[in-house]
Amino acid sequence: QQQVKQSPQSLIVQKGGISIINCAYENTAFDYFPWYQQFPGKGPALLIAIRPDVSEKKEGRFTISFNKSAKQFSLHIMDSQPGDSATYFCAASNGGATNKLIFGTGTLLAVQP
Amino acid sequence: GAGVSQSPSNKVTEKGKDVELRCDPISGHTALYWYRQSLGQGLEFLIYFQGNSAPDKSGLPSDRFSAERTGGSVSTLTIQRTQQEDSAVYLCASRPDRGQETQYFGPGTRLLVL
Repeated sequence: QQQVKQSPQSLIVQKGGISIINCAYENTAFDYFPWYQQFPGKGPALLIAIRPDVSEKKEGRFTISFNKSAKQFSLHIMDSQPGDSATYFCAASNGGATNKLIFGTGTLLAVQP
Repeated sequence: GAGVSQSPSNKVTEKGKDVELRCDPISGHTALYWYRQSLGQGLEFLIYFQGNSAPDKSGLPSDRFSAERTGGSVSTLTIQRTQQEDSAVYLCASRPDRGQETQYFGPGTRLLVL
């Protein structure tokens, strides 16, 4: 119930292409779904987040698509750049007292020039 | 402003030794989290502090793990009698208050238990 499943484990995309990472969850109490970006040797940094009352959120080249009935959400990176090469984590939380995040296992993205 | 800082950045210890990991959250942030990131895995919640409330320790994997937060600011994660499976990156995050969800992560402490 607490798991967040993420795929693919790794992804190679050509510069200018679209990177798509998918996540699925079970706990319907989750109400906050962030994506974090992590570069080697650094801590994760919030990239974009969505709540289940909207189906899509776009910030620059990054878009979250959210399907509440399927309990799935995805990150789309448009016009992928070599600087986007990093590990991406989806996460979910149900607010409440702690707002603790349940993370997916991560996707290692490599954007080839 | 300054972000979340953690020390040491790297720690190598021998099996059976105790280690202390330190986290300095962003000034004014009332919530503080510890997560563990094992190789090839996602981040695993360990413990949560909010102001003067009792901490949520539900993620601590064993009684060898403990944490405290002094004066509502700095936090220390202690691992007693370290085991090789404790080798991981330990990440600290802070959040402004209950009304904001964004957690800001530090760079982590890379712990290697030989």
